[in-house]
Amino acid sequence: AQSVSQHNHHVILSEAASLELGCNYSYGGTVNLFWYVQYPGQHLQLLLKYFSGDPLVKGIKGFEAEFIKSKFSFNLRKPSVQWSDTAEYFCAVKVLGGGNKLTFGTGTQLKVEL
Amino acid sequence: DAGITQSPRHKVTETGTPVTLRCHQTENHRYMYWYRQDPGHGLRLIHYSYGVKDTDKGEVSDGYSVSRSKTEDFLLTLESATSSQTSVYFCAISIEGMAFFGQGTRLTVV
Repeated sequence: AQSVSQHNHHVILSEAASLELGCNYSYGGTVNLFWYVQYPGQHLQLLLKYFSGDPLVKGIKGFEAEFIKSKFSFNLRKPSVQWSDTAEYFCAVKVLGGGNKLTFGTGTQLKVEL
Repeated sequence: DAGITQSPRHKVTETGTPVTLRCHQTENHRYMYWYRQDPGHGLRLIHYSYGVKDTDKGEVSDGYSVSRSKTEDFLLTLESATSSQTSVYFCAISIEGMAFFGQGTRLTVV
């Protein structure tokens, strides 16, 4: 079964700092990749997705992610974080032909300080 | 808004009692999912459905059952609730390969 690893469990940054959250997955076949964000007390919302094509994908709120197939990675980046980016971030993978199911990482809690 | 409604939003129940959580969607999407969210575990798939009366187990299905008698409703039942099932439960639907989530149900088993 596939697995998703998020290496940073808690990240604290100051406003305007750059962000990179790591995500690695274990499956060697064709995958779709996602980043979701969960603001305090809310449900998960889709930040961005990779299906195919350009491995650098841009999402909402200035976030982007790069798919590096050789490294089985899909890291999330933002050049300058804001206090409002404080949230939990989840990476997820869907194996094509695997029943349309998402497997999630354990999440990274990001706190942005003023 | 993907038109997903979960009910109830909060519930406290006693150990050993049955509990049913409901997920309702308004747009006739084929795939529906139940996840639980726990600190340190992220979201884990309990059960999912790919059509009316078509369901399958996820990675943490023990102690849970589901039913889907209508396209719009996906029910999750805890036959006999245990404290380990205290969690936040999220329903999701799949739209064009992307998952969209409901607001969640916070369940506490005492």
